[in-house]
Amino acid sequence: EDKVVQSPLSLVVHEGDTVTLNCSYEVTNFRSLLWYKQEKKAPTFLFMLTSSGIEKKSGRLSSILDKKELFSILNITATQTGDSAVYLCAVHPGGGAQKLVFGQGTRLTINP
Amino acid sequence: EPEVTQTPSHQVTQMGQEVILRCVPISNHLYFYWYRQILGQKVEFLVSFYNNEISEKSEIFDDQFSVERPDGSNFTLKIRSTKLEDSAMYFCASSESGINYGYTFGSGTRLTVV
Repeated sequence: EDKVVQSPLSLVVHEGDTVTLNCSYEVTNFRSLLWYKQEKKAPTFLFMLTSSGIEKKSGRLSSILDKKELFSILNITATQTGDSAVYLCAVHPGGGAQKLVFGQGTRLTINP
Repeated sequence: EPEVTQTPSHQVTQMGQEVILRCVPISNHLYFYWYRQILGQKVEFLVSFYNNEISEKSEIFDDQFSVERPDGSNFTLKIRSTKLEDSAMYFCASSESGINYGYTFGSGTRLTVV
């Protein structure tokens, strides 16, 4: 069974801190790994990763994939209160599948 | 920026009733999906739809569920004979070129079965 596990489940930090969120996966095939930010309702797309070792970056957020060790990390530097959200990791298993398999999410709280 | 629109945002229904959740995908998108998220649990895949037919469905998507694209713009999820455990947030998503390029989620319909 395809599985995605995120850690930690919950994280509370102060504004300005740097955080690292983890995602490990076990899937039969692998096509891509995606990170989403979920604030109130709809998950909003952050990154799609398909190749090992290539960092994707958007402002203070960055992410990298390790296909050998089957994990990805999402880094957020100089955190702001607006970064408070649930961060979701999802894997596209490939093999013709159209679905995403999600982890349980990391709830990040940034205190002023 | 184009959006996936879902209506209603919240629906309360009595156990045993049928509900229809509606979605308007982004206009040039060809692939459509439904996911659900039970409170406090993972987002779970229900079904994908392409070229007017189901392309993939999960074990959750049994005979109680059906999807339809009744016209050129709407994409609906019908849940027959709702159960308490159907209470969840239901997300619609659409994609221009399939999962390989990611997709856009709607803001969800919170379904409460009482």
